[in-house]
Order: sequence, then structure tokens, then C-alpha cells
Amino acid sequence: QKEVEQNSGPLSVPEGAIASLNCTYSDRGSQSFFWYRQYSGKSPELIMFIYSNGDKEDGRFTAQLNKASQYVSLLIRDSQPSDSATYLCAVNRDNNDMRFGAGTRLTVKP
Amino acid sequence: DTGVSQNPRHKITKRGQNVTFRCDPISEHNRLYWYRQTLGQGPEFLTYFQNEAQLEKSRLLSDRFSAERPKGSFSTLEIQRTEQGDSAMYLCASSSPGPQHFGDGTRLSIL
Repeated sequence: QKEVEQNSGPLSVPEGAIASLNCTYSDRGSQSFFWYRQYSGKSPELIMFIYSNGDKEDGRFTAQLNKASQYVSLLIRDSQPSDSATYLCAVNRDNNDMRFGAGTRLTVKP
Repeated sequence: DTGVSQNPRHKITKRGQNVTFRCDPISEHNRLYWYRQTLGQGPEFLTYFQNEAQLEKSRLLSDRFSAERPKGSFSTLEIQRTEQGDSAMYLCASSSPGPQHFGDGTRLSIL
């Protein structure tokens, strides 16, 4: 079992729709959870981070964490073509190295 | 805040040669990380520094890989006797701690 699992996609949504990206992790000791966006050929860019159970909203993005289920999700409202990218889920046990999923490729169609 | 800077952006070398990459973290960040990323995969942790101390190394980091951060500022990652399998994007990130911020990476191609 991989430490961080994501559906590789591709996930395709129409412009203006909600995109839902999911991630599960195996280490129950994980403390911090991150979503990064990565455009093709570019480096990962931090989108959201969440430490506590529940929802955290930032503009069009909402991160959701359920530690009991070892599940993290990212919702993107009013999806735009510029949101088309690979979204990486990362978890951190003790603020040192992060473990990344392989990423979900999102395509937003105009 | 000028962001994390990595040099060179691209490196092409012949198998068996040594290569060295440099990372300059965000100035107030005391933690620096190296990752490797191959196509279709997420970044894979290699090693981590807090100030000048190398605190953790991945089991995946063979003896051909070495990293330094001599004054707690910039860091170098050296790969000796490069192999085809070393072809990847090498990413550097820094934090203070908190969320890690990545540089643009160095893409290594082995001929």
C-alpha cells in the first residue's frame, strides 16, 4: 500500500463546475496535510494546507480533512481552464519530510 | 521574498560523470529539503537540513548522492558517477518551518 494514494485521473470537468479531488493516507500519525498544484514542466505550488479535522476555505478552494477515515479532499468551485494541472496531495508526520501522492490530473474544459 | 532559487535549470551529462546542483532557499527559512520527481510521479523525499545539520536521509539515497549546507544558507546536491536512472527533476524546497515552498527545479538528463 502506498503511503499517499490519489486517483491519477484524468478528471475532466466543465468550466464553472466543482472539481473534487481525493486523497487517502496510511500513516495515522500524520499531522499536516497539503495540496500542491503543478503545471506541466513546472514545480509544485502550494494551494492549501490543513491541520485539523473539518473544512478550510480559501477563495474558490476548500480543503477537507477526516483523520478518522485518513482522508483529505480538495474542492475547487467555479473551475476555470487555468485550473487545469496536476494536483498533488502531501502529508507530513513530524514537520520534516513530506510524502506525496502521484497526483491527479485535472482538465477543465471551456 | 525572492523565492527558492535553483541552478542550473537544466543539466545534460554523460553517464558516469559527476553533477552538482545548487539551491538557495527563502532567506528566513532554516529548513531545506531535496526531492526527486520522475514523470507521472509525485516528488520523492531525498534529504532534509535544519540550518547546517543534515537531519534525515532517505533510504533511497545511494552512496553516490551527497548533500551539504555548509553555512546554513544555500545547499548543494552532488551525484557521482551518474546513471541513466538518475534522470529526473531535482526539486529543492524550504520552510521556516510550516508549509514547504519549492524552487523551479533542476532537470537532469543522462545521455
